[in-house]
Amino acid sequence: DTGVSQDPRHKITKRGQNVTFRCDPISEHNRLYWYRQTLGQGPEFLTYFQNEAQLEKSRLLSDRFSAERPKGSFSTLEIQRTEQGDSAMYLCASSSGGLSNEQFFGPGTRLTVL
Amino acid sequence: EDQVTQSPEALRLQEGESSSLNCSYTVSGLRGLFWYRQDPGKGPEFLFTLYSAGEEKEKERLKATLTKKESFLHITAPKPEDSATYLCAVQARVRYALNFGKGTSLLVTP
Repeated sequence: DTGVSQDPRHKITKRGQNVTFRCDPISEHNRLYWYRQTLGQGPEFLTYFQNEAQLEKSRLLSDRFSAERPKGSFSTLEIQRTEQGDSAMYLCASSSGGLSNEQFFGPGTRLTVL
Repeated sequence: EDQVTQSPEALRLQEGESSSLNCSYTVSGLRGLFWYRQDPGKGPEFLFTLYSAGEEKEKERLKATLTKKESFLHITAPKPEDSATYLCAVQARVRYALNFGKGTSLLVTP
């Protein structure tokens, strides 16, 4: 499978715990994005990487959230001290950075904070 | 601030009954307008990118059009397998993020 992959697909955690999600982009895509989607809403942008550099961050990304993309390949999104409001689908997307800039999404990680 | 409004929120069609979904947008310099399809519990699936007013793209029963203020997704003779949420998003020239609307939930009944 050559699409975007995310792990885990589902995560249930207790309030106050830390969680980490992984995203593997399409091979050779140098651009990677994280979005969050709640029920009945469209995805909301969180952050963007070009290779290993984090170039854009949303104000939604509070200081409890941190994202990394070491070596410009896979990326991780960590949420510290989770809150019930963090419950959502976390989506990763990648693009080639060409003129078209279509973003291709992974299946998402569903986070439930109890 | 960039805004994307999709209408209707939900649409129910009989199989074969053609219709259109609307996406109204405001953006400071459009780089591209994107349409995605999303099935329950899955990530959005890319359909089309439109770059300038007057542009049209087609794929099977779907046709997307773009004006300076809105985009339409026309569905011709839909089938039950076209049931999904259709998302519209805009990308400003100065940003990499996509700004999504809330989507239109389409149900096509046999």
